[in-house]
Amino acid sequence: SQQGEEDPQALSIQEGENATMNCSYKTSINNLQWYRQNSGRGLVHLILIRSNEREKHSGRLRVTLDTSKKSSSLLITASRAADTASYFCATEDTGRRALTFGSGTRLQVQP
Amino acid sequence: DAGVIQSPRHEVTEMGQEVTLRCKPISGHNSLFWYRQTMMRGLELLIYFNNNVPIDDSGMPEDRFSAKMPNASFSTLKIQPSEPRDSAVYFCASTPPRNTEAFFGQGTRLTVV
Repeated sequence: SQQGEEDPQALSIQEGENATMNCSYKTSINNLQWYRQNSGRGLVHLILIRSNEREKHSGRLRVTLDTSKKSSSLLITASRAADTASYFCATEDTGRRALTFGSGTRLQVQP
Repeated sequence: DAGVIQSPRHEVTEMGQEVTLRCKPISGHNSLFWYRQTMMRGLELLIYFNNNVPIDDSGMPEDRFSAKMPNASFSTLKIQPSEPRDSAVYFCASTPPRNTEAFFGQGTRLTVV
């Protein structure tokens, strides 16, 4: 079953703009991860943030986590056409090794 | 390493036929997961194995679905008999010990007509 929701469901921006995607979840977690999926391909891990962390950076990616609100956001700065893909959050719930995925955000970056 | 390898990439079968999907995880990874992706339901966990032992199969939709992992380098997901509502993309993923970063295969797109 889906852990939670991501919003927006779809996002279209111009190259060079920033893209922000949000994820909400419902349970107690060990960590939250973000994945990217290009059309017709498998998911690729982008970044992991632990439950005791509030913010993490990796290149043009910035992830925040608010465990009190059970929410996370992914910011992609200075977007490129190659960033066009679907982005999913996934939680490792406490006591369960398997990841539970959100519904995803489809990002379209216009060149 | 070639990554997680799934076969076949595409499968078209008739309703009632048996379908077997195959997965080779990354060498050294000790957990393996089968997910199903559809537009309506998104990514759903079907079953996962740790050290070749099934840990949680609560996501397996019906008795028509079964999964095995006879050794650390091979797993199968079988659907017998298949139905049109089983049409989806099936992903296999693996994770290394003490790490939950999942490495996904390219998926098998199953169409049951």
